[in-house]
Amino acid sequence: QKEVEQNSGPLSVPEGAIASLNCTYSDRGSQSFFWYRQYSGKSPELIMFIYSNGDKEDGRFTAQLNKASQYVSLLIRDSQPSDSATYLCAVNRDDKIIFGKGTRLHILP
Amino acid sequence: DVKVTQSSRYLVKRTGEKVFLECVQDMDHENMFWYRQDPGLGLRLIYFSYDVKMKEKGDIPEGYSVSREKKERFSLILESASTNQTSMYLCASSSPVGTYEQYFGPGTRLTVT
Repeated sequence: QKEVEQNSGPLSVPEGAIASLNCTYSDRGSQSFFWYRQYSGKSPELIMFIYSNGDKEDGRFTAQLNKASQYVSLLIRDSQPSDSATYLCAVNRDDKIIFGKGTRLHILP
Repeated sequence: DVKVTQSSRYLVKRTGEKVFLECVQDMDHENMFWYRQDPGLGLRLIYFSYDVKMKEKGDIPEGYSVSREKKERFSLILESASTNQTSMYLCASSSPVGTYEQYFGPGTRLTVT
């Protein structure tokens, strides 16, 4: 079982709709969970982190964590064309981070 | 804001050359990391360092070495570049306490011909 799993996509979402990105992880000892956004040809940029069960909101972004189900998600409200990117889910293993391979998100104008 | 810089955005080298990639961070972070990223394979950890003069192998250290002489600087060395080392190389740094989030440099696109 891969440590961090994401659907590779592409996920196509109409502009203005909610984009929902999902991730599962295998290590029950993980304490911190991250979402990175990566535009084509650029490096990953941290957009959210969460370490408690429940929701964490930051502007149009909401991260959701369910440790019992080992599930992390990212919701993007009012999706914009500029949100088109690859989104990497990551979880800590000790003081390193394990990354998923990412989900490509395409916002349709 | 955390700033991580890398010495080159694009680099072209010949097979067999020794290649140095340099990374500098300005946040006094103890932890620094080198990854390579290839299509379909995601981010793979090459080496990391928890402190000056300390280094640990990641998942794919073969063909690479590292140097950390100063806290802010972490260098990746390709002893004898090969075509299968053509890749995007990403440096990151993080604090050893708290939530361990990593901050990335802009990346170096290395082509070995």
